[in-house]
Amino acid sequence: DAMVIQNPRYQVTQFGKPVTLSCSQTLNHNVMYWYQQKSSQAPKLLFHYYDKDFNNEADTPDNFQSRRPNTSFCFLDIRSPGLGDAAMYLCATNLAGVYNEQFFGPGTRLTVL
Amino acid sequence: GENVEQHPSTLSVQEGDSAVIKCTYSDSASNYFPWYKQELGKRPQLIIDIRSNVGEKKDQRIAVTLNKTAKHFSLHITETQPEDSAVYFCAAPLRGYQKVTFGTGTKLQVIP
Repeated sequence: DAMVIQNPRYQVTQFGKPVTLSCSQTLNHNVMYWYQQKSSQAPKLLFHYYDKDFNNEADTPDNFQSRRPNTSFCFLDIRSPGLGDAAMYLCATNLAGVYNEQFFGPGTRLTVL
Repeated sequence: GENVEQHPSTLSVQEGDSAVIKCTYSDSASNYFPWYKQELGKRPQLIIDIRSNVGEKKDQRIAVTLNKTAKHFSLHITETQPEDSAVYFCAAPLRGYQKVTFGTGTKLQVIP
C-alpha cells in the first residue's frame, strides 16, 4: 500500500545530542511537511519542501534542519535537542495544490533526557 | 497570515446525540477547509473537507457547513458513537502558500 513511513517510531536522546528523524513516502507526492505536535496541541508546521524548494516557517528555531535528498525521503535533524523539543514529530505529504489532502505518517515520539 | 479559531476546546456528549464544532478564519480568500480526526497516539486523518463553492457537504453521519460571509465553518456529527471520541482539528489554507493553518483542536468525548 502506498503510504508515509516514519522511522523510528520512538526516539530517546540526551539533552544536546543530535538526532535525525526519517520520513519516506511511496505516494510520489511532491510536497513534504514536518510538523511538531506537543500534547493537547495542534500540529505546528516547522517547514516544508515543494519539490526541492525548502520553505522554513519564520518561528522555527535554527536548531531544526531538514534535508530532502530525493522525492521519497525527507529528514529532520535536531542539532542540539532541549527538553522543550520533546514532542511527536509528524511528517505529511501531498500533491501540490491547496485542495489536496495531506497524508500523515504515524509520527516519531521524541523523548529528551 | 491565516488565523483559525476553533471552539469548543472540549465537548462531551451522550452516545446518540449530535456534536457540533465551529471554526472561524480570517483570510477571506481561503477556499478549502479540511477537518482532521486524531485518535490518541495516532496520526491525524482527513475525515471531510469542503471547498468554497459549496455551502454544505455530507458523508454519512458527518457533515460540514460553510458560511463564507461570516467566515466560519462547522463540523456536525450526528448519532455519535464511542469511536467518535478523538481530537478534531479544522484547518484553512494560507493564501498563496502550499500549507494550511490548523485550529487549536476540540477534544470530543462520547459517553456510552
